[in-house]
Amino acid sequence: KAGVTQTPRYLIKTRGQQVTLSCSPISGHRSVSWYQQTPGQGLQFLFEYFSETQRNKGNFPGRFSGRQFSNSRSEMNVSTLELGDSALYLCASSLITSGVDTQYFGPGTRLTVL
Amino acid sequence: AQTVTQSQPEMSVQEAETVTLSCTYDTSESDYYLFWYKQPPSRQMILVIRQEAYKQQNATENRFSVNFQKAAKSFSLKISDSQLGDAAMYFCAYRSAIYSGGGADGLTFGKGTHLIIQP
Repeated sequence: KAGVTQTPRYLIKTRGQQVTLSCSPISGHRSVSWYQQTPGQGLQFLFEYFSETQRNKGNFPGRFSGRQFSNSRSEMNVSTLELGDSALYLCASSLITSGVDTQYFGPGTRLTVL
Repeated sequence: AQTVTQSQPEMSVQEAETVTLSCTYDTSESDYYLFWYKQPPSRQMILVIRQEAYKQQNATENRFSVNFQKAAKSFSLKISDSQLGDAAMYFCAYRSAIYSGGGADGLTFGKGTHLIIQP
């Protein structure tokens, strides 16, 4: 079974621009979560989508948004980019069954904001 | 809010020896999951092992095992017969079993332990 895929793998943007990252979950997985990883703050939860609905959201400003499509693919958007948004953005998918929920991660998108 | 603490920023072990990585967490919940993830230089986050809090038996996956002490809120990872391919950052993570819908119920990660394998 193919793993979680993320596109693009690398991205360079300038301050003030917006960016959209894409994530395709493992086939059959309906939950997709997004995380931001930076050297200073470590790994932080952004949000989780399940069946096209945002189920949970971390402590990030409204510039960070996401959505999930009917095929479970998810996109994450960051508007008005700031230098501090430079990070590795990780997507994870999970198959929630019998209450057990293990997240499997994609390779990440490295975003650099200049 | 839950917190996860990994007190060892870096650990070094000789190839073929055993190493234990520490993790403690703070929560008021009784039902949750704990994970160890490995992140090699490729940055791909790989699941190493999972533990359900309601299970008293410690999880084991081949050379990897955990020591789960629920009362002490401790969740250490033991790697036996260390191999060069085990070199990576190791993250301990917590996830609530109950979805509040209003809070951050994604994985809460520790800061990580950098594991070095000496040949």
